[in-house]
Amino acid sequence: GDSVTQMEGPVTLSEEAFLTINCTYTATGYPSLFWYVQYPGEGLQLLLKATKADDKGSNKGFEATYRKETTSFHLEKGSVQVSDSAVYFCALSQSGGYNKLIFGAGTRLAVHP
Amino acid sequence: EPEVTQTPSHQVTQMGQEVILRCVPISNHLYFYWYRQILGQKVEFLVSFYNNEISEKSEIFDDQFSVERPDGSNFTLKIRSTKLEDSAMYFCASNLGFTYEQYFGPGTRLTVT
Repeated sequence: GDSVTQMEGPVTLSEEAFLTINCTYTATGYPSLFWYVQYPGEGLQLLLKATKADDKGSNKGFEATYRKETTSFHLEKGSVQVSDSAVYFCALSQSGGYNKLIFGAGTRLAVHP
Repeated sequence: EPEVTQTPSHQVTQMGQEVILRCVPISNHLYFYWYRQILGQKVEFLVSFYNNEISEKSEIFDDQFSVERPDGSNFTLKIRSTKLEDSAMYFCASNLGFTYEQYFGPGTRLTVT
């Protein structure tokens, strides 16, 4: 079945460092891809999404490009802030916004001043 | 901004007891979901609900689980006879149906002793 694999954490960075969190997927067809973020004590929030190959999702300085040839959707940010400390989840959904989300294991990011 | 709410935030129950977790989805949304996250593990899909019936359920969602939308605003998850392994964070989500974004609530932490 469909699955998502994320790099293990925790990832610890200094403020203003470059961030990459790797995500690869296995799926039939052409799924939509998402990054969700979970801040301490809160629910999951959609960070960005891409619905077809070569699409780039972006939000709050974060970016991810849907690469079908490598089945990847890596999350990047050029300069992280302490406030970016959270758990980041990569997810996919088969076509249709109402379909279930399949999540990766999550990657905890800790940013220090 | 509209949001999904969940009550209670933390529920402690004894093994074998029934629990009901409550969610109020965003008012004009049409699709509703329950997910769970056992501590340290992936967020897992349990069930999706549309037009007053289950549209999809996972292997986890066995006869001990049920969902209901009793009054047009609440969406509940009932576990009839809780087991220790039901201890997890349970997330409710809702979706307008024509977008790819599921909006998540803050979660209910269920502890079964």
